[in-house]
Amino acid sequence: GAGVSQTPSNKVTEKGKYVELRCDPISGHTALYWYRQSLGQGPEFLIYFQGTGAADDSGLPNDRFFAVRPEGSVSTLKIQRTERGDSAVYLCASSFTGDTEAFFGQGTRLTVV
Amino acid sequence: QKEVEQNSGPLSVPEGAIASLNCTYSDRGSQSFFWYRQYSGKSPELIMSIYSNGDKEDGRFTAQLNKASQYVSLLIRDSQPSDSATYLCAVTRDAGGTSYGKLTFGQGTILTVHP
Repeated sequence: GAGVSQTPSNKVTEKGKYVELRCDPISGHTALYWYRQSLGQGPEFLIYFQGTGAADDSGLPNDRFFAVRPEGSVSTLKIQRTERGDSAVYLCASSFTGDTEAFFGQGTRLTVV
Repeated sequence: QKEVEQNSGPLSVPEGAIASLNCTYSDRGSQSFFWYRQYSGKSPELIMSIYSNGDKEDGRFTAQLNKASQYVSLLIRDSQPSDSATYLCAVTRDAGGTSYGKLTFGQGTILTVHP
C-alpha cells in the first residue's frame, strides 16, 4: 500500500479482555516499530522488529503485551487481560531499513472500559 | 526528570510571526534529534532532523542544536495558520546521522497560529 495501514482504527473493549491490533507496513520496509501515545503525551516506544525478529522489546510495559511479525511484513500487537490504563493510541511505524526515516500509520485508538 | 522535555504550551502566535519551540534532553549519549509535527487526530510527520551542533535550515524551519547545553529548538518563520499543530521533539542514541525508529519523544507543544 501507499502508507502504513493500521486496523482497526478504533477498538473498544471491556477490562480483562484480549485484543489484537494489526499493522501493515509499507511494502518492502524491513523495520517495524510499535509506539503507544497517551492523551497529551508524546509517543512511547514499545518494540522494534527487523525482519521477523524483535530486535528490541525493551519498551513493552509487562508480560501482558506481546507482538509478532511471523513473515516479516504484517505485525500484530497482542494485549492480554486489558486494563483501563492500556487505553491509548497505538502507533505503528515502518522504515526501509532500521536506519532510515520511519513513517507512521494513523494509529489504533484503544479504549478499555 | 523526563528524558525529553519541551516548553509548556500551548503557544499562540499571530500569522507571520516567528514561533520558537524548545526542547531539552537528559541523555548525554543522544546523537540524533528530530522534530515531528502532529495534526489533531493524525500521525506524527517528520519535518526536521539535526545531528551536529549549530543551525539547520529548511524553508521556513530552522532547527538549532547545542549538545553542551543539551538543548534543541525549532524556529518557524512567517508562521501560517496551517502550522497549527502539536510539535514533538524526539531523540535517539543512535549515531551516524541516520534516523532510527527507536525514538524518545517529549510531551509535545501545541502551537496555534491565529490570523
